[in-house]
Parts: sequence; structure tokens; C-alpha cells
Amino acid sequence: QQQVKQSPQSLIVQKGGISIINCAYENTAFDYFPWYQQFPGKGPALLIAIRPDVSEKKEGRFTISFNKSAKQFSLHIMDSQPGDSATYFCAASRGAGNMLTFGGGTRLMVKP
Amino acid sequence: GAVVSQHPSWVICKSGTSVKIECRSLDFQATTMFWYRQFPKQSLMLMATSNEGSKATYEQGVEKDKFLINHASLTLSTLTVTSAHPEDSSFYICSARDHLAGVEQYFGPGTRLTVT
Repeated sequence: QQQVKQSPQSLIVQKGGISIINCAYENTAFDYFPWYQQFPGKGPALLIAIRPDVSEKKEGRFTISFNKSAKQFSLHIMDSQPGDSATYFCAASRGAGNMLTFGGGTRLMVKP
Repeated sequence: GAVVSQHPSWVICKSGTSVKIECRSLDFQATTMFWYRQFPKQSLMLMATSNEGSKATYEQGVEKDKFLINHASLTLSTLTVTSAHPEDSSFYICSARDHLAGVEQYFGPGTRLTVT
């Protein structure tokens, strides 16, 4: 059973546009929600993470929006750049540093 | 800081042989390390959780006798794929948790295993 559902599977955005990726979770025990960026042939790298006690967190061009009642969270990439082209994964865990359950991933392509 | 390395970065082995993959935390101590497998264009699937000095905890469907995990020190965990078969070909990624900071997992760069 996939506990974290991610959409869309792929996304094409023009340079300068906003990329939006959504995730929904089922397990209400999850309390830590990170987003990872992965380039081909590389391991995932943490972008930004949020806990359910806040509804939004921003770091540079990356923003997480969190809706606890809907059990949904999303990643917004502002002013998307070609260098942002990668696969993005949302994840969830019960406590930071514990076992992560990953979403299915979104392949983002930012066109120049 | 918080660097995790894996060795080798890629390996090709023949069917029926065993291959060992190392995961090291370079600048922190990791009481817990995680091993993931990722097939092409798919997500990461947790294989097992490795705790220093104790037996690993395997996820459902992962054969513990086939994927041997050893976490003998606070900076090193190894995954041995025994009697490898072509269907074991995958991208294996480890992550480590800094037991002092305790707030994040740091991922290694991955190991590409190809079984011929």
C-alpha cells in the first residue's frame, strides 16, 4: 500500500515559471515531511522539510505548503530554472531521522 | 558536513557471485543507517534499517539471507548481495542518521549494480 501519493509524475515548466508538485499521505502518525531532489545517477539531496505545526515554510525559491486536515503537502519552486530539472520526491516519516516513506517521484523539466 | 559515501559507485558482477557495498558516514557518527533500492524511473524503496551493533530490520518482502547487512561501527554499514541474479540489478542507496543531531538522514551517492 502506497502511503504517500505524489503527482504529477512528470512536469514541464518554462524558465521563470512556478513548478508545483503535490503529495498526499494516509498515515496520520507521520510528523515530518521532507522533499528531496535527485539528479540522474546520484543520491537524493534534501531540499526542504516541514513539520505539521506550521502551514508553510520557505527557503529561497522553494516553499512547502502543508494542509494537515487534508493530509496534503506541496512543493512550489518559484522562478524555475533549467538547473532545477531533476526528479523530486516527497517523503514522510514518524519523526525526523526515522524510516522514510517516499512518494513516487516527479520528473521536472524546465525549458529554457 | 554530513557527508555519506558509498563504495563502489558502480559494479558489474556475474550471476551467482556476491558483491559487497559499503556505506560510510565521513564526518559524523551514525547509529542508524538505511538501505534503499531504486529501479529505473522509480521511487526509493526501503530495504532495511541497520543499527550499529545489532541485527538489521528488514522490510517485508526483502530476503535477509540474500541481502546481508552488517553495521559493525558507527561510521560503516555494508550490504552484501549474495548469489546475485540479473533481477538484483538496481541502484542501491544508503542513508545515515547523525545520532547526535538526530534530525535528518543524509543520503549517499548510490551504487549501480549490474548483474550479468
